[in-house]
Amino acid sequence: NAGVTQTPKFRILKIGQSMTLQCAQDMNHNYMYWYRQDPGMGLKLIYYSVGAGITDKGEVPNGYNVSRSTTEDFPLRLELAAPSQTSVYFCASSYSPPSGIYNEQFFGPGTRLTVL
Amino acid sequence: AQSVSQHNHHVILSEAASLELGCNYSYGGTVNLFWYVQYPGQHLQLLLKYFSGDPLVKGIKGFEAEFIKSKFSFNLRKPSVQWSDTAEYFCAVNARTGANNLFFGTGTRLTVIP
Repeated sequence: NAGVTQTPKFRILKIGQSMTLQCAQDMNHNYMYWYRQDPGMGLKLIYYSVGAGITDKGEVPNGYNVSRSTTEDFPLRLELAAPSQTSVYFCASSYSPPSGIYNEQFFGPGTRLTVL
Repeated sequence: AQSVSQHNHHVILSEAASLELGCNYSYGGTVNLFWYVQYPGQHLQLLLKYFSGDPLVKGIKGFEAEFIKSKFSFNLRKPSVQWSDTAEYFCAVNARTGANNLFFGTGTRLTVIP
């Protein structure tokens, strides 16, 4: 299993450009998450999904959009890039059965994004 | 809202020294607790977790953590650190509700000097 994969690893954007960060998992996990990590800060949740077709906002959703058309993929879209979105972005996934028992999250390698 | 505090931003130790990293959380309900490690240039990996039962949990690479409910704490320990333990360590809390998402502390950077 590849686990959680993310592309690209690095990207530089100009202000106002848009891009999509890709995330895929091959573990058949129902939950998927997008976090951002700013220097000296912990990870903060941007968006999450509990299954295909279902997404919801996290702590810091402004400026981002997501979709979840398949179990495997959870892309994150930046429509109008701003310098405040310079960060490292991590995708994660986990499996939670109907009983609601929570399991650990598995993280991807991250995408380092710079907006100039 | 939940929050997680890690008291030490940067810890520098010599090899074979003992390690204790503090973690406190604020949430009144039942929680799951985690320590993740991020080695330089790598993604986050789970060190250990506490869901229920024995409050002293053992993880990989000789790490352990103790959950003290009355103190809302989940401190990470290792009796003797190695140079390869140089990394950033994150404490995280999940409230077993809703999104099941994790709330992270700001991290502690550990540097082990050979």
